[in-house]
Amino acid sequence: KAGVTQTPRYLIKTRGQQVTLSCSPISGHRSVSWYQQTPGQGLQFLFEYFSETQRNKGNFPGRFSGRQFSNSRSEMNVSTLELGDSALYLCASSWSGRSGANVLTFGAGSRLTVL
Amino acid sequence: EDKVVQSPLSLVVHEGDTVTLNCSYEVTNFRSLLWYKQEKKAPTFLFMLTSSGIEKKSGRLSSILDKKELFSILNITATQTGDSAIYLCAVEERGSGGSNYKLTFGKGTLLTVNP
Repeated sequence: KAGVTQTPRYLIKTRGQQVTLSCSPISGHRSVSWYQQTPGQGLQFLFEYFSETQRNKGNFPGRFSGRQFSNSRSEMNVSTLELGDSALYLCASSWSGRSGANVLTFGAGSRLTVL
Repeated sequence: EDKVVQSPLSLVVHEGDTVTLNCSYEVTNFRSLLWYKQEKKAPTFLFMLTSSGIEKKSGRLSSILDKKELFSILNITATQTGDSAIYLCAVEERGSGGSNYKLTFGKGTLLTVNP
């Protein structure tokens, strides 16, 4: 079955712009989590969605937001981009019939560069 | 302060060597510890550990958890160049929302296996 699909794979933005990233989970997976990965900080948790509801949130500013649609696809948005937002954004899905991400399947990521 | 600490941060070995990667954690409501391997972009799942002292094994890779001392190790025997990757440790804990769980990753260990 198809894996987790993230689009776009690469994008370049300038400071102050906003960006929307998309994630299609594995069919049947209802939980989608987002992570930011940078060389200095590793993977940092952004948020998790389950059945269109944000179930968990990391310690990121309000410029980072997300949503999940009825088909479990998810989007995350970053507004007023800063240079420090340059990172690999990873989406992961799991079946997760209960609250908790446990075994995640990751997508290949969206590489964002902010100039 | 980091809740999940991996060591070493990087390691260079020769093919055939045996390596041990370490992961220590400090969380309040521990549920499980997971290991992932990240070669190019998407981390791929290796092991999930929930009980102390029970070794999980897959080919040349094995892992064990010590819940008393709050650490886990990942062993790779007879290393091959294909083992070169970032190895990520993650701890699943109950989140601030009560029934919610979240996954916290360490910064990873970059393993380079030279021929």
